[in-house]
Amino acid sequence: GAGVSQSPRYKVAKRGQDVALRCDPISGHVSLFWYQQALGQGPEFLTYFQNEAQLDKSGLPSDRFFAERPEGSVSTLKIQRTQQEDSAVYLCASSTVGRSSYEQYFGPGTRLTVT
Amino acid sequence: GENVEQHPSTLSVQEGDSAVIKCTYSDSASNYFPWYKQELGKRPQLIIDIRSNVGEKKDQRIAVTLNKTAKHFSLHITETQPEDSAVYFCAASTPGNTPLVFGKGTRLSVIA
Repeated sequence: GAGVSQSPRYKVAKRGQDVALRCDPISGHVSLFWYQQALGQGPEFLTYFQNEAQLDKSGLPSDRFFAERPEGSVSTLKIQRTQQEDSAVYLCASSTVGRSSYEQYFGPGTRLTVT
Repeated sequence: GENVEQHPSTLSVQEGDSAVIKCTYSDSASNYFPWYKQELGKRPQLIIDIRSNVGEKKDQRIAVTLNKTAKHFSLHITETQPEDSAVYFCAASTPGNTPLVFGKGTRLSVIA
C-alpha cells in the first residue's frame, strides 16, 4: 500500500516568510510524529499526535513552530517568520497500534532552505 | 530525558567483512530499539528492531543484540556488500507509541 507522503519535497523560503509542510500518513495509522533532521545529524523529535490530539510538543524549537492534525489523518507543520537556522529536512513518521505499534514509518521529508 | 550515544561515527570495511555499530542509552525505561538505514537524500528505512524482552534478533545478514543491564545495543552486519553503504541510526523509545530518540548516526562505507 501507499507509504507516508510529504509535500512539498523541497521548499525555499526567504527569511521572514511563513511555510506550511504537509504530511499524509499511512491510512489508518493512529500516531503521527514530526522530526527535524539537520545536515549530518540524526532526526530530532518535534511533536506528535495520537489521532487529532497533540500529545507532546516539547521538541518544537520556538513558538514560531505550530503543528496540527484536525481530523486525525493529514498533518501540517507550520513555521512562521522563518529563520536561517530553520533550514533542515522535516520528516514525518506514522505508526499504528497493536503488536507492531512501535514501528514508525517515515516519509521522504521536506527539505527546507531559508535564504 | 533519554540520551542515545552511537559509535563509531564513520566505519569503512572491505566487502565481505562484518560491521558492528554500537549504541548506549540512558533511560532504563526505554524498551524499544530500532535501527534505520538512510541513503543519501532518502527517507530513513527501518531495517531491524528489538524489544527489551529479548536479547538478540536476527534477520538474514543483520542482527541486533541488547544488553539491558549495561544499557547498550549493537547492530551486526555480516558479509557486507557495497549496497550496505549508507548512514545507520540507532534509536530508543519508552513504552507505548512514543517518540524515538536517535543517535547521531554511523556512515558505513563498504569497499569493493
